[in-house]
Amino acid sequence: DAKTTQPNSMESNEEEPVHLPCNHSTISGTDYIHWYRQLPSQGPEYVIHGLTSNVNNRMASLAIAEDRKSSTLILHRATLRDAAVYYCILSPSGGSNYKLTFGKGTLLTVNP
Amino acid sequence: NAGVMQNPRHLVRRRGQEARLRCSPMKGHSHVYWYRQLPEEGLKFMVYLQKENIIDESGMPKERFSAEFPKEGPSILRIQQVVRGDSAAYFCASSPLGGDNQPQHFGDGTRLSIL
Repeated sequence: DAKTTQPNSMESNEEEPVHLPCNHSTISGTDYIHWYRQLPSQGPEYVIHGLTSNVNNRMASLAIAEDRKSSTLILHRATLRDAAVYYCILSPSGGSNYKLTFGKGTLLTVNP
Repeated sequence: NAGVMQNPRHLVRRRGQEARLRCSPMKGHSHVYWYRQLPEEGLKFMVYLQKENIIDESGMPKERFSAEFPKEGPSILRIQQVVRGDSAAYFCASSPLGGDNQPQHFGDGTRLSIL
């Protein structure tokens, strides 16, 4: 399975943009890139996913490099509620793509 | 809109007892997934069920663990003769369709502690 690499932790200030990077140099052509986040004492929450093109939704934006070997989750204005562990996950198209593989993720701290 | 509901939120059992964890998926979702999160680790897939069928149980230990998703009622993850190593947070997720990169909606988990 293709692997992802994320920084262990990042820090941001409230109301500023946050760019969370993810490297996935061994990604295959049919792997989707998913982002989930987990707030303390809660279950993971779906954030966004994409294949090749950049994606936007009400929570965040996903910028995917042209060679697809890396991607960035963008929170446009961080709030205290965005403090969580963010997971970048690759999921193949077809097959057992329901098996989400959670690594250690990036712990995002948001300062007031 | 009720999300995925798991109960109990916390469960304490003594070694050798049985643990039953319940999961009610979101309304309209017929696909359920169970994950386990050991302390200081990421979530690991255990089992995928569709109504009345086990689709993939490759992540579930062969002994003592079982899962079901009956036609009526919640999905149940059952752990018999619990041991200390079963202490973990167990999360359930659901989706309206199976596979094909459907986002999974998670509950807030059951934290199982074994004395």
